[in-house]
Amino acid sequence: GQNIDQPTEMTATEGAIVQINCTYQTSGFNGLFWYQQHAGEAPTFLSYNVLDGLEEKGRFSSFLSRSKGYSYLLLKELQMKDSASYLCAVMDSNYQLIWGAGTKLIIKP
Amino acid sequence: TAGITQAPTSQILAAGRSMTLRCTQDMRHNAMYWYRQDLGLGLRLIHYSNTAGTTGKGEVPDGYSVSRANTDDFPLTLASAVPSQTSVYFCASSVDRGETGELFFGEGSRLTVL
Repeated sequence: GQNIDQPTEMTATEGAIVQINCTYQTSGFNGLFWYQQHAGEAPTFLSYNVLDGLEEKGRFSSFLSRSKGYSYLLLKELQMKDSASYLCAVMDSNYQLIWGAGTKLIIKP
Repeated sequence: TAGITQAPTSQILAAGRSMTLRCTQDMRHNAMYWYRQDLGLGLRLIHYSNTAGTTGKGEVPDGYSVSRANTDDFPLTLASAVPSQTSVYFCASSVDRGETGELFFGEGSRLTVL
């Protein structure tokens, strides 16, 4: 079966750095997405990786290793507004998105 | 810009009643989707549409139906609601299905079936 694993919850301190991991087992691979979802709101797109390596976008970076079935989202200089759930999703060989359950990130002052 | 509009934002429904969740997009996207989100689970695809006039079944289609009469609208109907359909429903769109582009989501419809 297809599976996406990510931690259920993480806690970090304002101003610090946090890394949210995602491992996947899917039928084929056409890219990995990270979305941010604040409580009670819609998911919004953060990043897309299809090749191995690090993609940087401001305070957020996303890394992919296809051989290891692994990705991480790195958030730097954490702000209180970064408190949200972070969803990892993989597009399989049929271009179907497989979603992880999300990681709830709690930022403490 | 509106993007994707869903209605209603929340609803309480008696079991056995029917309900239609409305979804409208103004981005002229070809592909549209309905997902449900339940605590502890990833988003699960209910139905999708590649383009106006076509629809397809997702991972959890039972008990739901959709139509795509035009590009903008993609309503989701529950013919006879059951308590297990209590969930938050998200409508989403993308330029094309199969393209590795981002999804744009509506704000969600919270449905409680009693």
